[in-house]
Amino acid sequence: KAGVTQTPRYLIKTRGQQVTLSCSPISGHRSVSWYQQTPGQGLQFLFEYFSETQRNKGNFPGRFSGRQFSNSRSEMNVSTLELGDSALYLCASSSLSTVHEQYFGPGTRLTVT
Amino acid sequence: AQKITQTQPGMFVQEKEAVTLDCTYDTSDPSYGLFWYKQPSSGEMIFLIYQGSYDQQNATEGRYSLNFQKARKSANLVISASQLGDSAMYFCAMRERPKTSYDKVIFGPGTSLSVIP
Repeated sequence: KAGVTQTPRYLIKTRGQQVTLSCSPISGHRSVSWYQQTPGQGLQFLFEYFSETQRNKGNFPGRFSGRQFSNSRSEMNVSTLELGDSALYLCASSSLSTVHEQYFGPGTRLTVT
Repeated sequence: AQKITQTQPGMFVQEKEAVTLDCTYDTSDPSYGLFWYKQPSSGEMIFLIYQGSYDQQNATEGRYSLNFQKARKSANLVISASQLGDSAMYFCAMRERPKTSYDKVIFGPGTSLSVIP
């Protein structure tokens, strides 16, 4: 089975721009979660989608949004980028039967200059 | 208030020895789940083990076991027979299940484990 894939792997953007990151879960997994990892704040939960609906949400400003498509692929969008948005963005997927067992992708490294 | 505490920022262990990574948590919800993840230098997070708050037995997965002490709110990870490939960051995490709002997933700051040959 193919693992979780995230594209792009690396991204450099300028302050004020917006960015869209993509995540393709493991085949058959319908739950997708997004996390932000920074040296200062550690790992923080952004949101979780299940069957195209946002099910859980972390404490992030409205500039961070996401969606999930009918094929379970998910995108997250960050608008009006700030320097502090530079981070590793991780996506994880899980199935209904093993909802607590999340499989992570390799992450997208976003650098905002 | 910090909800997940990992008091050992860095640890060393001799190859083939057992090691315990500490994790304490704070929640007022009766229903929650506790997780451990491993993150090697490559960056990818690897799920290791899960313990539900209502599980009667401590979770085990191969060389990994979770020492769950509910009254003390601790969920320590025990790695038996350490291998060089176990060198990585280890994160303890909790998913709270409040009845009236979203689940919340919280990670601890991590413990860096180095296995010495």
